[in-house]
Amino acid sequence: GAVVSQHPSWVICKSGTSVKIECRSLDFQATTMFWYRQFPKQSLMLMATSNEGSKATYEQGVEKDKFLINHASLTLSTLTVTSAHPEDSSFYICSARDPQLSYRDLGVTEAFFGQGTRLTVV
Amino acid sequence: KQEVTQIPAALSVPEGENLVLNCSFTDSAIYNLQWFRQDPGKGLTSLLLIQSSQREQTSGRLNASLDKSSGRSTLYIAASQPGDSATYLCAASTDSWGKLQFGAGTQVVVTP
Repeated sequence: GAVVSQHPSWVICKSGTSVKIECRSLDFQATTMFWYRQFPKQSLMLMATSNEGSKATYEQGVEKDKFLINHASLTLSTLTVTSAHPEDSSFYICSARDPQLSYRDLGVTEAFFGQGTRLTVV
Repeated sequence: KQEVTQIPAALSVPEGENLVLNCSFTDSAIYNLQWFRQDPGKGLTSLLLIQSSQREQTSGRLNASLDKSSGRSTLYIAASQPGDSATYLCAASTDSWGKLQFGAGTQVVVTP
């Protein structure tokens, strides 16, 4: 299957600093990627849809000025947590679908996920 | 808005028993439904994907069914093993680009 690589796998930063997380599709081009956040003991919540060459679409309640998303190429999307606070500590994970893959019935293929990034803000 | 619910939230069984995990969704207009496994502190491992036109998918000891009309999917794991201990997530694809709405997960513990 398609491979999505996310870096770093974990990061610790001080309050007030910014952290950048990268999400790469290694063997396919992804015009659309998704960023999710998971708090402890909770499920994954979609934060935003990253669109190559255009602005990201944010879900309700997600601050676009705090979570900057850049999708400058067909294989790379970045999420920057700006002026991080301890409450931003969470597990962040990206996903993408290979648009070239298709099933016989033209169904939507599976979403592939990165390994996730554990962010701890101290 | 699509809402996905998983029941039970936690499940503990002795090794060898079959597992039945339930997932329900409110909007039947899904593109597909995907089951994932998540180990503590780790990312997601895709287990099975069922297209909206399919009724079930099988992979080894895993079988997942989909009933769109009732808004339900069930994941069966046969002859459970301690290595099956993890959190299992179901997610409904709400658009053609792969956007997923996740359930809260079922935490499974298989005791030796």
